[in-house]
Amino acid sequence: AQSVTQLGSHVSVSEGALVLLRCNYSSSVPPYLFWYVQYPNQGLQLLLKYTSAATLVKGINGFEAEFKKSETSFHLTKPSAHMSDAAEYFCAVSDLTTGNQFYFGTGTSLTVIP
Amino acid sequence: GAGVSQSPRYKVAKRGQDVALRCDPISGHVSLFWYQQALGQGPEFLTYFQNEAQLDKSGLPSDRFFAERPEGSVSTLKIQRTQQEDSAVYLCASSSVTGGYTFGSGTRLTVV
Repeated sequence: AQSVTQLGSHVSVSEGALVLLRCNYSSSVPPYLFWYVQYPNQGLQLLLKYTSAATLVKGINGFEAEFKKSETSFHLTKPSAHMSDAAEYFCAVSDLTTGNQFYFGTGTSLTVIP
Repeated sequence: GAGVSQSPRYKVAKRGQDVALRCDPISGHVSLFWYQQALGQGPEFLTYFQNEAQLDKSGLPSDRFFAERPEGSVSTLKIQRTQQEDSAVYLCASSSVTGGYTFGSGTRLTVV
């Protein structure tokens, strides 16, 4: 079975500060890992994905994530937070053996303080 | 279409009423998924179609939930005799054979 755990349901950072959103996964097979962003009353937008190529994945809006197998982690980072980054962020895992179904974490709400 | 389209965007139903939620996937996308997102939670898998075949419905919470995709394109999620615990955002996603996965904006269902 696949699952993800997002540590910290709420994270606050100052504008211009480092953003770090944590995600740990559990998977019995090599996973595909994803980060999605959700703005209020909108659907999920893909930020980036890991599909067993490079372990450091660069996404949109300056975000990146590093796959660390030894730590079963896929933390999301951005060097400098912008006000427009305030949103809900979801980590998800898929193993492509169950019809490409995604298993999502419970989400982290990011607040950016001006 | 250019994206996954869901309708209605908002639905208020009285407890006990039946509702139908529509998903129009990206043209040519073989796979279609329904997820339920309760307030403050991540999306949870409900069911999966490959073309018109419903290959996995293990996530449907009760027999009041029913989904169909009769012609392998548009899908409808039907909830019978709605209950307050059914209140959530229902997300639809479609994916191509290469795995590109796109979500719709969802339908927010409120049962009063």
